[in-house]
Amino acid sequence: EAGVVQSPRYKIIEKKQPVAFWCNPISGHNTLYWYLQNLGQGPELLIRYENEEAVDDSQLPKDRFSAERLKGVDSTLKIQPAELGDSAVYLCASSLDPSGGADNEQFFGPGTRLTVL
Amino acid sequence: AQKITQTQPGMFVQEKEAVTLDCTYDTSDQSYGLFWYKQPSSGEMIFLIYQGSYDEQNATEGRYSLNFQKARKSANLVISASQLGDSAMYFCAMREGLRGGATNKLIFGTGTLLAVQP
Repeated sequence: EAGVVQSPRYKIIEKKQPVAFWCNPISGHNTLYWYLQNLGQGPELLIRYENEEAVDDSQLPKDRFSAERLKGVDSTLKIQPAELGDSAVYLCASSLDPSGGADNEQFFGPGTRLTVL
Repeated sequence: AQKITQTQPGMFVQEKEAVTLDCTYDTSDQSYGLFWYKQPSSGEMIFLIYQGSYDEQNATEGRYSLNFQKARKSANLVISASQLGDSAMYFCAMREGLRGGATNKLIFGTGTLLAVQP
């Protein structure tokens, strides 16, 4: 079974440029998450989708960040314009759904490492 | 507010020995789940073990066990018989709520870097 797929793995851009990250969750997983991981820190949730609906985007900086999951499968996270402080790893994860079992662990992709110059 | 604390930035362990990675948590919820993830240099987070707040037995998964002390609000990870491939960052995380009604939002600690020495 394929895991969570993310692309690109690495991205280097200049500040003020736009950038987009793509994520394809595990087949059958209804819930998709985008996390931000700064150097030396644990991941922090940016947004969570249940199918195509964003059910928790309270931590997403909406002035420059946007996300979509149009058909309830793969998702795109965009930053426009990027700032120096956006340099981090952006992780995508998926899980079955909130009621899908006691553990219902989240499965993570390899992440996209963004460097803003 | 929920919080996870990992006080060990880094740990060394000799190959084949056991190691304990500390994790304490803070929550006012009665129902919650605790997770441990491993993050090797490749970057992806690998799920290791889960403990529910109402589970009476400590969780075990192969060489991993979770020392759950509810009164102390601690959920330490024990890795037995360490292997060189265990060298990685280890994150403790908490999710409020259990099945049915859980938001499945994970709060992570800052991690512990484990280095296994031959």
